[in-house]
Amino acid sequence: NAGVMQNPRHLVRRRGQEARLRCSPMKGHSHVYWYRQLPEEGLKFMVYLQKENIIDESGMPKERFSAEFPKEGPSILRIQQVVRGDSAAYFCASSPTDRDSNQPQHFGDGTRLSIL
Amino acid sequence: GENVEQHPSTLSVQEGDSAVIKCTYSDSASNYFPWYKQELGKRPQLIIDIRSNVGEKKDQRIAVTLNKTAKHFSLHITETQPEDSAVYFCAASNAWSNFGNEKLTFGTGTRLTIIP
Repeated sequence: NAGVMQNPRHLVRRRGQEARLRCSPMKGHSHVYWYRQLPEEGLKFMVYLQKENIIDESGMPKERFSAEFPKEGPSILRIQQVVRGDSAAYFCASSPTDRDSNQPQHFGDGTRLSIL
Repeated sequence: GENVEQHPSTLSVQEGDSAVIKCTYSDSASNYFPWYKQELGKRPQLIIDIRSNVGEKKDQRIAVTLNKTAKHFSLHITETQPEDSAVYFCAASNAWSNFGNEKLTFGTGTRLTIIP
């Protein structure tokens, strides 16, 4: 069973460009969480999505950031007009549809975003 | 919202000795407490977790204890080995909350160094 797949692993963008980060959850999982990790810091929750629905975006910056999880395909975290402060590792985690399954969140390898 | 504090931020332990990392949480509704190990440049990996209906859980050299009344939980690693060197994060969530939102609130991490 493949784990959580994220791509790209590394992404370099210039200030003002757009960044698109993709996450495919584990097979059978329909809950996706995005977290951001700044250098030398812990992970901060950004957004929680289920298929075609944003459930909790309380950790998302108000501007430039958006997320989606379409019926088909991976979840996308989109950052418009990137700035140097967006440089971080972005991790995706997934969990099963069944809330009683007692399965924890498993993380992908992350996308390391660097802004020049 | 939930707030998780973690101590110490760095910990050096002689190989073979024990290491203890402590976390406190603020939200009494939190009922799930995982611990993640993160090596440099890698994904956070779940090493052990505990739910609020249990006071202690052990898996070989790793154990976690939970005190719900005091709202704190601890990670214990015995007979430490060089490969235990990493950053360890505690986290808390309210599993089975509305809409199944199990977003994790992380501590700030502990950099554990095992001295050979």
